[in-house]
Amino acid sequence: AQSVAQPEDQVNVAEGNPLTVKCTYSVSGNPYLFWYVQYPNRGLQFLLKYITGDNLVKGSYGFEAEFNKSQTSFHLKKPSALVSDSALYFCAVSQRDQTGANNLFFGTGTRLTVIP
Amino acid sequence: DTEVTQTPKHLVMGMTNKKSLKCEQHMGHRAMYWYKQKAKKPPELMFVYSYEKLSINESVPSRFSPECPNSSLLNLHLHALQPEDSALYLCASSQAGNEQFFGPGTRLTVL
Repeated sequence: AQSVAQPEDQVNVAEGNPLTVKCTYSVSGNPYLFWYVQYPNRGLQFLLKYITGDNLVKGSYGFEAEFNKSQTSFHLKKPSALVSDSALYFCAVSQRDQTGANNLFFGTGTRLTVIP
Repeated sequence: DTEVTQTPKHLVMGMTNKKSLKCEQHMGHRAMYWYKQKAKKPPELMFVYSYEKLSINESVPSRFSPECPNSSLLNLHLHALQPEDSALYLCASSQAGNEQFFGPGTRLTVL
């Protein structure tokens, strides 16, 4: 069974400071891991993914994530937070079914607030 | 075109109405998905279509009926819904093994 956990419901950070949004996962086999962001009353926007390769993955809007197999973590990071980064962030793990569709299982989400 | 479109943006319906949600993508993706999202919660998978065939139905009540007329279109037919079905309904598409692209959603209110 696949699952992800986001231990923090809320993260507050001052503008210009580095931010981290935490995610841990539990999968059987090799994990496919994703980060999505959701702004109010909007759909989800893809930020980045880890499939294989380098443990540090770079994505959209200056975000990056570090895959740590020993700690089963995939934390989202950004060196300098912007007020416009304030949103709801979801970590997800995927399980590919026999048809090739990529079914996502989401964490509970972390609300990031960047304080001016 | 790297967009998933959904119509309508908002829908208000009574419990006896029949309505449909529509989703369209022109990225050549062969997997399409319906999710339901309640406020401040993660999206919950409802249905998955792969190569225009229903591959997953996550025990969704029969008052929700999906349809995939062709590889670019996905519909969700609604009938006799309950107030607790009010939510944001999200459509997504993907190429096998890759990230899903989400539409902006339809905000559904059932009175």
